[in-house]
Amino acid sequence: DGGITQSPKYLFRKEGQNVTLSCEQNLNHDAMYWYRQDPGQGLRLIYYSQIVNDFQKGDIAEGYSVSREKKESFPLTVTSAQKNPTAFYLCASSSDRTSSKFFGPGTRLTVL
Amino acid sequence: GDSVTQMEGPVTLSEEACLTINCTYTATGYPSLFWYVQYPGEGLQLLLKATKADDKGSNKGFEATYRKETTSFHLEKGSVQVSDSAVYFCALSPNYGGSQGNLIFGKGTKLSVKP
Repeated sequence: DGGITQSPKYLFRKEGQNVTLSCEQNLNHDAMYWYRQDPGQGLRLIYYSQIVNDFQKGDIAEGYSVSREKKESFPLTVTSAQKNPTAFYLCASSSDRTSSKFFGPGTRLTVL
Repeated sequence: GDSVTQMEGPVTLSEEACLTINCTYTATGYPSLFWYVQYPGEGLQLLLKATKADDKGSNKGFEATYRKETTSFHLEKGSVQVSDSAVYFCALSPNYGGSQGNLIFGKGTKLSVKP
């Protein structure tokens, strides 16, 4: 079955530590995205990538970093520079930038 | 900039009641419009979409019509079920410029349907 997988489902981190969230898709999509969701808020775009080895900052990129070395993978690193990292993180992909986005199941990150 | 405003929840209905969740938008040009649904603890699923004025998106008994004159995309269902309990997000995607294709979301409306 084609789809998007995110791991882990729950992640706990101590303050000051970097942590990397995984996102893998087997839909052969060119574009991939990372969103952050906070309680009672809509989703906000962190980073997106339209093609391998290229990515752009979204609306709230500060304190985050990404890489796109393979078409299937778009990992997100939450660095210690992110002041409020506790949130639900959602990865998405689409065949191209203007096509419908498909979302993964999300990773809930909690900073202790 | 572009934005989406949707009615605040939570919305609580009895099974078989009618549902309307209001959504209005501000955008330059003619964006594409979407409704996404999020079940507890899960990611988002695309519920329906419309790409031009007067288009009607429909899926699983839900409908929404792209109204350019009122900049609205209200979600409707004639008879809700307990299984429809979820958070519903209205979103737009600009069809121009550097933000083309990116999704801009409303804050979400939580729907609870009681038996």
